[in-house]
Amino acid sequence: KQEVTQIPAALSVPEGENLVLNCSFTDSAIYNLQWFRQDPGKGLTSLLLIQSSQREQTSGRLNASLDKSSGRSTLYIAASQPGDSATYLCAVRRETSGSRLTFGEGTQLTVNP
Amino acid sequence: GAGVSQSPSNKVTEKGKDVELRCDPISGHTALYWYRQSLGQGLEFLIYFQGNSAPDKSGLPSDRFSAERTGGSVSTLTIQRTQQEDSAVYLCASSVSMDGIGNTIYFGEGSWLTVV
Repeated sequence: KQEVTQIPAALSVPEGENLVLNCSFTDSAIYNLQWFRQDPGKGLTSLLLIQSSQREQTSGRLNASLDKSSGRSTLYIAASQPGDSATYLCAVRRETSGSRLTFGEGTQLTVNP
Repeated sequence: GAGVSQSPSNKVTEKGKDVELRCDPISGHTALYWYRQSLGQGLEFLIYFQGNSAPDKSGLPSDRFSAERTGGSVSTLTIQRTQQEDSAVYLCASSVSMDGIGNTIYFGEGSWLTVV
């Protein structure tokens, strides 16, 4: 059974800091891993998708890495801003579960001005 | 439309009533998914559609839950005889490819269901 763990569960940082969110998964047989953000009372917004053959993806101030063999991914946020405050979720698509995503519990990020 | 559209955005219903939740995926997306997010819990997979067929509906929690998709587009999730434990956010998502494996999944804003 695939388990996805995100550490820390919550993080509070001052504006301008660089930060790293962690995601680990127990089954390394994955097709891809996707990072989302969820604002309170809202749906999920896709941030980055990393295929199993890739090592990292970048979008603006965000950089996501994937180490499939060790079952780890990190989301790096540079020069954090109060608008980055949200819950960040990682999700993996397993080779044996076809279409479904398995989500972590999320990291709740607060960036203080 | 530009994104995944869900309706209603909020629904309060009495225990025992039936509810229907609607999802309109991004135009051209053949894969459609339903997930549920209960308070304080993670996202739970419910069902997946490829076109109008549902090759994976193993996540539906009971036979009170059903879903259909017509015309390869709009999907409806129906919950019969609602119970208080059905209270949750029901999220719909879609992706472009036929197999849905390698593509970004886009989520709607969700339908917030409260059973009283």
